[in-house]
Amino acid sequence: GAVVSQHPSRVICKSGTSVKIECRSLDFQATTMFWYRQFPKKSLMLMATSNEGSKATYEQGVEKDKFLINHASLTLSTLTVTSAHPEDSSFYICSAARETQYFGPGTRLLVL
Amino acid sequence: AQKITQTQPGMFVQEKEAVTLDCTYDTSDPSYGLFWYKQPSSGEMIFLIYQGSYDQQNATEGRYSLNFQKARKSANLVISASQLGDSAMYFCAMRESTSGTYKYIFGTGTRLKVLA
Repeated sequence: GAVVSQHPSRVICKSGTSVKIECRSLDFQATTMFWYRQFPKKSLMLMATSNEGSKATYEQGVEKDKFLINHASLTLSTLTVTSAHPEDSSFYICSAARETQYFGPGTRLLVL
Repeated sequence: AQKITQTQPGMFVQEKEAVTLDCTYDTSDPSYGLFWYKQPSSGEMIFLIYQGSYDQQNATEGRYSLNFQKARKSANLVISASQLGDSAMYFCAMRESTSGTYKYIFGTGTRLKVLA
């Protein structure tokens, strides 16, 4: 299957700081990337659809000013959690889609 | 209404036995895709198998097969000859098109435990 990398794998930050998570499609060009959030023992919740060269499409209830998404190239999308708070602590996982959706390994964010 | 339903929150299976994980879906889109993913405790989502709505035959990938019953809108995953390493969370997902773009919807998952 395709390889999608995600960096960092774990991050701990102080409340009020911003955290950037990178998602890279390593072996194919992905016009669409997705960002999900997963709470412990829960399913994946789609946050937004990231389209190369255009604004991301956010799901209902997801604050676009809080979770900034940039899809700068066909192989890179970034999610920035701005002014992070403890309730933003979660597992964030990205995916790159061709016909099949391939996931990155995820990023565990802990906001103190 | 739930678009993807996984009714089994947890399942046990004896090593080397076969197990079926249930998944039903709901869509009015004639073109859609159905996927199964495995999520071990490490958190990564591993793609297992795909079935297109127009595929005539059930998808198979090694020990994984998808029992696709289109009229019943079910897409059950069958794992044959279970191994201890199969213990994980399993998610069923559907891809459907919305306003010209794709969206993937996930079920709530089934936690499988393989017993030695």
